[in-house]
Amino acid sequence: SQTIHQWPATLVQPVGSPLSLECTVEGTSNPNLYWYRQAAGRGLQLLFYSVGIGQISSEVPQNLSASRPQDRQFILSSKKLLLSDSGFYLCAWSRTGAMNTEAFFGQGTRLTVV
Amino acid sequence: AQSVTQLGSHVSVSEGALVLLRCNYSSSVPPYLFWYVQYPNQGLQLLLKYTSAATLVKGINGFEAEFKKSETSFHLTKPSAHMSDAAEYFCAVTGNNQGGKLIFGQGTELSVKP
Repeated sequence: SQTIHQWPATLVQPVGSPLSLECTVEGTSNPNLYWYRQAAGRGLQLLFYSVGIGQISSEVPQNLSASRPQDRQFILSSKKLLLSDSGFYLCAWSRTGAMNTEAFFGQGTRLTVV
Repeated sequence: AQSVTQLGSHVSVSEGALVLLRCNYSSSVPPYLFWYVQYPNQGLQLLLKYTSAATLVKGINGFEAEFKKSETSFHLTKPSAHMSDAAEYFCAVTGNNQGGKLIFGQGTELSVKP
């Protein structure tokens, strides 16, 4: 069966510090990968998605970047965090080539920038 | 472009009462629709999905939703609320032109009173 791992679960970082959140998927090959951010009362905003190694699409301009160094690894990064980067970050995957498939989510990372 | 509107950011029902969470969508292509549930500080779990087969879709935990093209709606219902149903619920849409990306509504928080 497929599983998705996301860590850390919680993170408190000072403004201006770097960020690295990691997500890995097991039990499937060549998944579509996604990073979402959930701010209080604002639903889920798609930040990045990837259809393959090294292929990253950004949905919104921001202080964050994403990378996919391996097939089942997706990393969210920032060089210098802003207060507005605080939120709940969710990694997700879906089956490639299936347009009507659901996404499967990790447990999320609660990021607080202080 | 696709979008989802969830009417009511907060819904409160009594235990045993009908649950009705509203979702309306906008899509330029035939939509695929999903309902997810999120418990505090956790990822999202799929409740059910519509993928152009039966318009009445049954999901987990006794929930169901009906796709109504004429009303562009996909409302979520459950005949009898249970205390364990208290959570946040998200409606999402995708389509053949979205590469598997899900577009989410703002979410509805469901409270269940004893």
